[in-house]
Amino acid sequence: DIVMTQSPDSLAVSLGERATINCKSSQSVLYNSNNRNYLAWYQQKPGQPPKLLFYWASTRESGVPDRFSGSGSGTDFTLTISSLQAEDVAVYFCQQYYSTPPTFGQGTKVEIK
Amino acid sequence: QLQLQESGPGLVKPSETLSLTCTVSGGSISDTYYYWDWIRQPPGKGLEWIGSIHYSGSTYYNPSLKSRVTISVDTSKNQFSLRLNSLTAADTAVFHCARRDKWGYMDVWGKGTTVTVSS
Repeated sequence: DIVMTQSPDSLAVSLGERATINCKSSQSVLYNSNNRNYLAWYQQKPGQPPKLLFYWASTRESGVPDRFSGSGSGTDFTLTISSLQAEDVAVYFCQQYYSTPPTFGQGTKVEIK
Repeated sequence: QLQLQESGPGLVKPSETLSLTCTVSGGSISDTYYYWDWIRQPPGKGLEWIGSIHYSGSTYYNPSLKSRVTISVDTSKNQFSLRLNSLTAADTAVFHCARRDKWGYMDVWGKGTTVTVSS
């Protein structure tokens, strides 16, 4: 199985400031034949199911605010919230879908400082 | 829009079998582009993929659970189901059903149902 490791486990950011979450895979999730990274990001607010934010590492799902961005390739990926809003308090997960079974990072909890 | 709703018992005894159903509304489970997944989340922990089914009946299971899991589909009812046997306390979790794009990311999730394994 591909192991997904996120850092940090939690972070506290002031409103309006930048939040950065990292995700590292134990092997590359870049498929050379189509040059796509098989990596998704999800947001999970308390008491709610995960919500898809990005797929192909950087393709924003419809309705996701543009203060959210996804980047990276190969084994190292980043989710950035450019200006943290109160409604962004949540746990964020990365997931690889390069190979079966799909696996998730342990999650990063984002709070307001 | 598409919605998924899990249903099943909230409490199951150790060694017994869990049966959950996911009802799909606002769309067809027979869309060839999608797979239908079960994912679980133990209390305070991360997400674990359990397995997946296509409307055609093709199934894919997490090797870590494969010996205990069966996923089935009923296209006439627009539902798919999970059976997990030989339960232990370690199986206590919130169980989510989700729609998975053919490439592999989950774009629609059910709210989840809490299952506690306890005598």
